[in-house]
Amino acid sequence: EVQLVESGGRLIQPGGSLRLSCAASGFTFTNYWMTWFRQAPGKGLEWVANIKQDGSVKFYVDSVRGRFTISRDNAKNSLYLQMDSLRAEDTAVYYCAKVGDYGWKVDYWGQGTLVTVSS
Amino acid sequence: DIVVTQSPDSLAVSLGERATINCKSSQSVLQNSDNKNYLAWYQQKPGQPPKLLIYWASTRESGVPDRFSGSGSGTAFTLTISSLQAEDVAVYYCQQSYSSPWTFGQGTKVEIK
Repeated sequence: EVQLVESGGRLIQPGGSLRLSCAASGFTFTNYWMTWFRQAPGKGLEWVANIKQDGSVKFYVDSVRGRFTISRDNAKNSLYLQMDSLRAEDTAVYYCAKVGDYGWKVDYWGQGTLVTVSS
Repeated sequence: DIVVTQSPDSLAVSLGERATINCKSSQSVLQNSDNKNYLAWYQQKPGQPPKLLIYWASTRESGVPDRFSGSGSGTAFTLTISSLQAEDVAVYYCQQSYSSPWTFGQGTKVEIK
C-alpha cells in the first residue's frame, strides 16, 4: 500500500525558514517523479514544485522560485521542501504527492501538513 | 501560464440525478506527440487530500466508480457523475499538466438538493 506521510509543519514567523519532509513507502520511490502541492485555508489547490526521479530536474511555481527548494533522498525514500523567506501568503496545508506512470497523473497524496506563517 | 476555469462554482443535484461540471483551459492541453489531453479531475472531501478520478481527460483511475466519466478535448472538458450518490458530496477540481506551471480550476462544490 502506497503511503506518503508529511511532517514539519508548524507556526513560524514571517521571514523564517522551515523544512517539510515526506516519508514514502509502498512503492519504488526511485522510479517516480514527486511533487508538492499546497492549499491555503478555505481555498483551492496550488501546485508548488516537481522533482525528477534522480533529482536532476526541478520545476517551481513562480511565487516560490528562489525561496523554496525541493529535494529528495532516494536512499531514505524521502522527499523534502526547504522553505525560506516565508510570507503570510505561504500559509497552507502542504501535500506531498506521487506522480504516476503516465499522463502526469498525481495518483497518491499524503494527508498534508499545516504551515502557518504569522507573527 | 495556462488558466483553467471551472463552471459552475457550485451545484446541488438530487440523489440519483446527473451532475455535470465544466472545465476550460486558456490554451489547448492536447499533446500532439501522443494525442493525449493532459487534463485530470480530482475529488476532495472535507478534511481529506484530493483523490484522482480521471486522467488524460477521459481515463478513469483504477477503483473509481464508473458513474464518474470525463470527456472533451483541446480546451473544453466535462466531468459527469451519472447518478449522484451521497458519498459524492465534495469539491471537484480539474488540473492541467500539459505545461509548467501545473494549474487547477477554482473548484466546484457538489451538494445534495
